[in-house]
Amino acid sequence: QKEVEQDPGPLSVPEGAIVSLNCTYSNSAFQYFMWYRQYSRKGPELLMYTYSSGNKEDGRFTAQVDKSSKYISLFIRDSQPSDSATYLCAMSYTGRRALTFGSGTRLQVQP
Amino acid sequence: DAGVTQSPTHLIKTRGQQVTLRCSPKSGHDTVSWYQQALGQGPQFIFQYYEEEERQRGNFPDRFSGHQFPNYSSELNVNALLLGDSALYLCASSLKGDTEAFFGQGTRLTVV
Repeated sequence: QKEVEQDPGPLSVPEGAIVSLNCTYSNSAFQYFMWYRQYSRKGPELLMYTYSSGNKEDGRFTAQVDKSSKYISLFIRDSQPSDSATYLCAMSYTGRRALTFGSGTRLQVQP
Repeated sequence: DAGVTQSPTHLIKTRGQQVTLRCSPKSGHDTVSWYQQALGQGPQFIFQYYEEEERQRGNFPDRFSGHQFPNYSSELNVNALLLGDSALYLCASSLKGDTEAFFGQGTRLTVV
């Protein structure tokens, strides 16, 4: 079983929709949670970085962490065609230098 | 403010050859990590360098080695290339091994 599970999609939504992306994990030691956006054949771009449980908002993006359920989410409001990309969740904990990634969810926002 | 830069962008190598990939970290960062990303998969951690030493290593064979220079830039070397080494190689930089990491655009390696 993988430490981090992520639905590969593709997820197709109309422009303006609210998008919900999710990851589940099995290692309860994870404390730091990140969301990256990756366009085709490019490097991942850090979108959100959160520590422990709770919510964090940045513009159209909201990250949620529920450590009791080992479940994290990224919400995108008013989605745009330029949001079409693969979204990767990543996580780590104090003392572990490596990031553990999900396999990514491909999002397509239709104009 | 320059972000993480990697070179070359693409390269093609023959099975059995050796390859060196290069990375310059984001300005102000002193830690470099290397990841391998196969098509359709998330990045897999190879190793991390801080203060010119390998600090942690993922589940990769000894054919994968690295180096960090005094200016914090880094190299990834892969010997005896296999077809399965074909992937996007990503460099990430951070400050003092912080988990908040920023990635370069990657080097796409094709082994034929």
